[in-house]
Amino acid sequence: SAVISQKPSRDICQRGTSLTIQCQVDSQVTMMFWYRQQPGQSLTLIATANQGSEATYESGFVIDKFPISRPNLTFSTLTVSNMSPEDSSIYLCSVGGTSGRRTDTQYFGPGTRLTVL
Amino acid sequence: EDKVVQSPLSLVVHEGDTVTLNCSYEVTNFRSLLWYKQEKKAPTFLFMLTSSGIEKKSGRLSSILDKKELFSILNITATQTGDSAVYLCAVEYGNKLVFGAGTILRVKS
Repeated sequence: SAVISQKPSRDICQRGTSLTIQCQVDSQVTMMFWYRQQPGQSLTLIATANQGSEATYESGFVIDKFPISRPNLTFSTLTVSNMSPEDSSIYLCSVGGTSGRRTDTQYFGPGTRLTVL
Repeated sequence: EDKVVQSPLSLVVHEGDTVTLNCSYEVTNFRSLLWYKQEKKAPTFLFMLTSSGIEKKSGRLSSILDKKELFSILNITATQTGDSAVYLCAVEYGNKLVFGAGTILRVKS
């Protein structure tokens, strides 16, 4: 199984600012994903981070709000831009299982708890 | 519409009890159903089910899938306080992975 770390683990930010969350995996993986979990809600997929090309965003999420980088097979970043209190959530990085399918999500990072004031 | 529905939303049991958590789904192009345990922030993978009637087991936890009736159950026997968590069900279909709202389990000593 993959070991995933995320930084920061939590942050409190002011409205209108941006925060970049880092995700590091201990082995090369094909599929990396970013999820959001709003308070009291379940997980929602934001996007698939593609190495060497633009991320693939789910309906309701756009690159201008959630730019993603994937410079190599072990690292990705998610930026939450121009934040508002509605962006207060847990943000989770995950990696795929062995099938290679982008929906085969088995391992999650420890998460970043973001509070926007 | 809700494609993945978990029940109950929450429950409280005493140590030693057996619990059954339910996950029903209504999707096309079903691929798999996954169970996770979420404590604090990060979900921990428990099981992936793809075939009907084949029980997956890990210690006191077990799960089974019924693709005809479109549901899965997660059983936890001899519950312990460490089992207290949110249990998430997710269904992989087409090119999507959709999570249910989760069941909050609290085990009292």
